Amino acid sequence: NAGVTQTPKFQVLKTGQSMTLQCAQDMNHEYMSWYRQDPGMGLRLIHYSVGAGITDQGEVPNGYNVSRSTTEDFPLRLLSAAPSQTSVYFCASRQRSYGYTFGSGTRLTVV
Amino acid sequence: AQKITQTQPGMFVQEKEAVTLDCTYDTSDPSYGLFWYKQPSSGEMIFLIYQGSYDQQNATEGRYSLNFQKARKSANLVISASQLGDSAMYFCAMREGLGVGGANNLFFGTGTRLTVIP
Repeated sequence: NAGVTQTPKFQVLKTGQSMTLQCAQDMNHEYMSWYRQDPGMGLRLIHYSVGAGITDQGEVPNGYNVSRSTTEDFPLRLLSAAPSQTSVYFCASRQRSYGYTFGSGTRLTVV
Repeated sequence: AQKITQTQPGMFVQEKEAVTLDCTYDTSDPSYGLFWYKQPSSGEMIFLIYQGSYDQQNATEGRYSLNFQKARKSANLVISASQLGDSAMYFCAMREGLGVGGANNLFFGTGTRLTVIP
């Protein structure tokens, strides 16, 4: 099925470990983004990309890296996980001016 | 300053009644889009309705309508004939700029948890 695929759905990390959250879309969308959702905070933008090779920071970029080598993939890297990064992470891509498609989310716990 | 403000952390509504979820926004860009998303307990983000800043009429999608008051910078969601399945978190969001390309990121409010009472 076409859409935005996020893996894994759940992950537990120890403080200091690194990992990559995967996001892939097969709709040829140029724009992709990563959000984190925390209780009472809504969704906050971490990083975004307007096309392959182009990335930029959002509201809360500290502790996260991204790259965009292909149109389809937009991985989010945590280099040294901290308990403050415990959250639900959403990847989204956009078609036209309003057609945002969200992945199903990754629930990350850092202990 | 917050771009999107949702002042109702939680709302209750009787089944089959209508409910209004409030949303105000802040932008100096004349071109913007307003969105409402539903997030059920399963966690996915479900798009409900969209209103562009230049749209003359209020958007409607089935039981959902958006009460767009541009001068007041408000974009309230109205759900008619509430159903038990409407119980969820509801997020208002805004995108500044309406071009196909470019960044023009989506900014979210903190959400309103709606509970439909049988």
